[in-house]
Amino acid sequence: AQKITQTQPGMFVQEKEAVTLDCTYDTSDPSYGLFWYKQPSSGEMIFLIYQGSYDQQNATEGRYSLNFQKARKSANLVISASQLGDSAMYFCAMIPNTGNQFYFGTGTSLTVIP
Amino acid sequence: KAGVTQTPRYLIKTRGQQVTLSCSPISGHRSVSWYQQTPGQGLQFLFEYFSETQRNKGNFPGRFSGRQFSNSRSEMNVSTLELGDSALYLCASSRSEETQYFGPGTRLLVL
Repeated sequence: AQKITQTQPGMFVQEKEAVTLDCTYDTSDPSYGLFWYKQPSSGEMIFLIYQGSYDQQNATEGRYSLNFQKARKSANLVISASQLGDSAMYFCAMIPNTGNQFYFGTGTSLTVIP
Repeated sequence: KAGVTQTPRYLIKTRGQQVTLSCSPISGHRSVSWYQQTPGQGLQFLFEYFSETQRNKGNFPGRFSGRQFSNSRSEMNVSTLELGDSALYLCASSRSEETQYFGPGTRLLVL
């Protein structure tokens, strides 16, 4: 069975500071993809970053980086230099390469404080 | 390249009615997935279509159905609406087992 766990229902961060959003996953598939999405109050899910399970290096996309620790089955999202516009829900997701269904965590609500 | 579009964006229905939601994927994407999002249950997977075939189905009653057309556009239908069907319905497209790109969603309110 596949499972994504996000243990932080809500997080606060000061503007311009860095913040880490936690994500752990459980899968028996040897190969899988990990994703982070941002959902502002408008509702649309915005793709942020992708990490393949066999990627040797941690993924980075601008101010977003994914701290991938395969042995611990964790895929934490790091947002550097937080901006007010980063306030949103953040979802971690996984797709096993043997399947075609995405599995989402319950999300973390991030609030950036001026 | 145009993103995923969903129509309508907002919908109000009454119990017992049926509703059809539409999703147009990104050009070249053949996989379309549907999700229901509610404050209580979070994001729940409804079904996934690829080349007009349903490949995966979530744990929803038979009132929820979908289909995909030859141009990859997809529709989902909910019959005999219940109050609990009020939710944000999200559609996502991808080439295959790759990054899913989401549409803006359809907010359904059942009265």
